[in-house]
Amino acid sequence: AQSVTQLDSQVPVFEEAPVELRCNYSSSVSVYLFWYVQYPNQGLQLLLKYLSGSTLVKGINGFEAEFNKSQTSFHLRKPSVHISDTAEYFCAVSFPASGGSYIPTFGRGTSLIVHP
Amino acid sequence: GAGVSQSPRYKVAKRGQDVALRCDPISGHVSLFWYQQALGQGPEFLTYFQNEAQLDKSGLPSDRFFAERPEGSVSTLKIQRTQQEDSAVYLCASSLGRTEHRGGQYFGPGTRLTVL
Repeated sequence: AQSVTQLDSQVPVFEEAPVELRCNYSSSVSVYLFWYVQYPNQGLQLLLKYLSGSTLVKGINGFEAEFNKSQTSFHLRKPSVHISDTAEYFCAVSFPASGGSYIPTFGRGTSLIVHP
Repeated sequence: GAGVSQSPRYKVAKRGQDVALRCDPISGHVSLFWYQQALGQGPEFLTYFQNEAQLDKSGLPSDRFFAERPEGSVSTLKIQRTQQEDSAVYLCASSLGRTEHRGGQYFGPGTRLTVL
């Protein structure tokens, strides 16, 4: 079965520290990978995506993620977080569906809490 | 407008009532997705349109849920005979291309449905 797992429901971290939010998926076929961020009382916003090519992708706000096919992972990282990074982060994987479409499956989300 | 809009933002319904949730995608966006997001969970796929064609409705939880996009722009998600388990945030997202993985999705703010 195809699934997306975000291993940490909550990640507390101090300001200016590095952070990694983990995402693993299960699939035997090629997929497309995304990270979205949801700030309080706002809609989901695309942070970055992996479609093909270089396995290290850079997104907005200084975030980056690395696709590891052998480990079926797509972990999100930032070398130095700010208070404003406090938000909910969702990993999403688009799996192929019938008719050539791709249907996104989201993880449960990881709440990043940045302390001063 | 510049983004995806949804109305109403909040809806309270008595069990058994019918509700209609509206989504206005970004102008010119071909693809439109509906998701259901329960408290503390990630968005779950409901259905997907390409222009006016509903290409995938595998995520609709029951035949009480119905979605349409008759002119390929505005979409309505209708829930008949609402039940308490329908309480959730309903998200709409649109994307420019025929398949969402290229550009990523743009999400609306959601409609929070509470069924009493």
